[in-house]
Amino acid sequence: KNEVEQSPQNLTAQEGEFITINCSYSVGISALHWLQQHPGGGIVSLFMLSSGKKKHGRLIATINIQEKHSSLHITASHPRDSAVYICAVRRGDDKIIFGKGTRLHILP
Amino acid sequence: DTEVTQTPKHLVMGMTNKKSLKCEQHMGHRAMYWYKQKAKKPPELMFVYSYEKLSINESVPSRFSPECPNSSLLNLHLHALQPEDSALYLCASSQAPGASGYTFGSGTRLTVV
Repeated sequence: KNEVEQSPQNLTAQEGEFITINCSYSVGISALHWLQQHPGGGIVSLFMLSSGKKKHGRLIATINIQEKHSSLHITASHPRDSAVYICAVRRGDDKIIFGKGTRLHILP
Repeated sequence: DTEVTQTPKHLVMGMTNKKSLKCEQHMGHRAMYWYKQKAKKPPELMFVYSYEKLSINESVPSRFSPECPNSSLLNLHLHALQPEDSALYLCASSQAPGASGYTFGSGTRLTVV
């Protein structure tokens, strides 16, 4: 079993829909990152969480440390949100463990 | 400056060539990382430099040789690579090992022919 599991693996939605991507992890962590990667491109860090909730524009990220679970929400989704969203956790030894990513495709 | 800059963006090299990838940041970060990412796979850690010293080598073949000449610069020297080494090579930095502010570069897409 992977230390970081994401769901769904693939998600196609219509423009305007509310999107939720989930991440569960099984190790002790110091932080959790949500990352965005466009096809063929580098990685952009969206959020770093160690507790609670963060919001940036149409993106919201939450984390429940007790349940070892985090969610990334996108409100009023847009085709430009189409990308791979990666959950990554930072262990105490500074090693980052990546999830396999969620491939999001927003249709106009 | 809040970026990690990687050069070149694309590189094609033969199996007998020697080339280098460069990563630069001016955020005062003291931890820098090299990752390798194959298509449709998550990044895999290769090396970690902490305060200009190599702290983690994830059993990477010696044809990849990292170098950290100063706190702002991280190089990855490539020699005698194989076609299966073709991948996106990502650099990242953080304020210090275990600290916040993890920033990725946009990567170098390497093709070995």
